[in-house]
Amino acid sequence: GAVVSQHPSRVICKSGTSVKIECRSLDFQATTMFWYRQFPKQSLMLMATSNEGSKATYEQGVEKDKFLINHASLTLSTLTVTSAHPEDSSFYICSAFRLELVETQYFGPGTRLLVL
Amino acid sequence: GENVEQHPSTLSVQEGDSAVIKCTYSDSASNYFPWYKQELGKGPQLIIDIRSNVGEKKDQRIAVTLNKTAKHFSLHITETQPEDSAVYFCAASIRNTGNQFYFGTGTSLTVIP
Repeated sequence: GAVVSQHPSRVICKSGTSVKIECRSLDFQATTMFWYRQFPKQSLMLMATSNEGSKATYEQGVEKDKFLINHASLTLSTLTVTSAHPEDSSFYICSAFRLELVETQYFGPGTRLLVL
Repeated sequence: GENVEQHPSTLSVQEGDSAVIKCTYSDSASNYFPWYKQELGKGPQLIIDIRSNVGEKKDQRIAVTLNKTAKHFSLHITETQPEDSAVYFCAASIRNTGNQFYFGTGTSLTVIP
């Protein structure tokens, strides 16, 4: 199979703090990982595309200094929400392309972030 | 850029009946169309996909059809079961380019026992 994990599954933090979310491909190498944000009852909104060893490509309107993405290896990408505010509360989901089959995205289980 | 529209936004069916969800896309270069099922509080799970060189694909109770000329594709679920209740998303992309997926707005399916 193609398993993608995320950690933590949910996090509650105070306004002004930073939160790091990890996305790991457990049984395959991922050339590209994607980070999405999803509001209740809405579709997935692409935030950024993360390629191993290079800078992430952010979608229009997504602040790169606020949402720091690091893709240090073929199995790990991290999203850090810096100086979080209540409006950053959302469901964050990562996905990954397999190295040998760059076709289908496999999604992680998501991380629920609540900023108080 | 690509624009994917999905209908209906909500769908209720009786257990055992069939459910059909339809999507249209705008970019004729798109050639890969996956469908994802998302249960509450979880990430989307791939349930079936189709490439543009195929008109129909079936996997047990799930089938997808593609009409390239009309630029639309549909998900068909037969003999629905309560565990099929979830939100379903269609998507369009260009294969093997690492390009992003363009998602539909989702269909909330409820199967009534």
